[in-house]
Formats: sequence, C-alpha cells, structure tokens
Amino acid sequence: QKEVEQDPGPLSVPEGAIVSLNCTYSNSAFQYFMWYRQYSRKGPELLMYTYSSGNKEDGRFTAQVDKSSKYISLFIRDSQPSDSATYLCAIAATGTASKLTFGTGTRLQVTL
Amino acid sequence: ETGVTQTPRHLVMGMTNKKSLKCEQHLGHNAMYWYKQSAKKPLELMFVYSLEERVENNSVPSRFSPECPNSSHLFLHLHTLQPEDSALYLCASSQDGQDYGYTFGSGTRLTVV
Repeated sequence: QKEVEQDPGPLSVPEGAIVSLNCTYSNSAFQYFMWYRQYSRKGPELLMYTYSSGNKEDGRFTAQVDKSSKYISLFIRDSQPSDSATYLCAIAATGTASKLTFGTGTRLQVTL
Repeated sequence: ETGVTQTPRHLVMGMTNKKSLKCEQHLGHNAMYWYKQSAKKPLELMFVYSLEERVENNSVPSRFSPECPNSSHLFLHLHTLQPEDSALYLCASSQDGQDYGYTFGSGTRLTVV
C-alpha cells in the first residue's frame, strides 16, 4: 500500500465551481499536512498547511484533515481559470523535516 | 534574485555525457534537497543536505552525485545516465526543524537520449 494515495485526474470543472481534491494516507504517525500547487513548467509552491486534525481557511481555499479516516481534502471555492494546475498533497511526521511524502498530484483544469 | 534558482532549465544529454545541475537559494535556509519528478509518480526524494552535511541518500544510483559546497548552493553531478532517468529534477530548501514550508525551484527538465 502506498503511503499517500491521490487521484491523478485530470479533473475538469467550469469556472465558479467548488473543487474538492483529496488524499488518503496509511501511516497514523503523520501530523503535518500540506497542499502544494504546481503550475506547468514550474516547481511546486506551498499553498496550505495544517497541523493535526481540523480545518484551515485561506481566502477561497480550505484545507481539511480527518485523522480518524486518514483523509485530507482541499476545497477551492469559486474556482478560476488561474487555479488550473496540479495539486499535490504532502504529509510529514513530527520532527522529521526530511521525510515529506508526496502524493502523485491531481491535475485540475478550470474552464471558462 | 530571490527564492530558489535552478540552472539549466532544460538539458538533453547522451548516456555517455557528464553534466551538472545547479541550485542556488537566497532564503537563508540551512537545508537543501534534490527531488525527482516523473510523470504519474510522486515526487521522489533523492538527497538531503542539512548544514552542508548529507543526511539522507534514498538509495539513489551512484550515477547521481550530489555536492553542497555551502548552505546556498547545491549541485547534482550526472554521468552515464539511462533513458529512464529522464525527468524533472527539483531542488528545494527549508529551514531545518520545520516540517513544512519547502521552497522549490522551477526544476531542470532532463532528457537522456
């Protein structure tokens, strides 16, 4: 079983839609949960991070962690064409900065 | 210059060539990383340097050789590569001790012919 599972997509939605991106993980020791956004021909950039369970909101983006289900989500409200990118989830255990484990990434296309 | 800069952006090399990838960070971070990104695969951690000392080598073949001369610079020396080594090679930096907040460069797209 992979440590982090993520549907690669592609996911195509119309502008203004609510987007839900998800990852599941297998190791209950993971405490830090991150979402990175990667535009074509660019490196990943940190979008959101959460520690342990709960929700975190930043503008149109909400990150949600359910540790009991080992399930993390990123919601994008009022999606825009500029949100078209690949979204990677990443997780880390406490105190192991070098052990960031990434999902495969989900490619999102927001159409006009 | 700000952030993490990688050169070259694109590289095509034959299997018998020797080349080097360069990474420079201007963030004052003390840890640097090399990742390999292949299509439909998760980012693969290759090497980690913390305070200029290599702290991790994730079973990477010896045809990849990292070098970290100081906390701002990281190199990946390549020799006798295979076609399956074609990928996007990403450099990242962070402040050691933080479990988040990696800053990535834009990567070097490597094609081995």
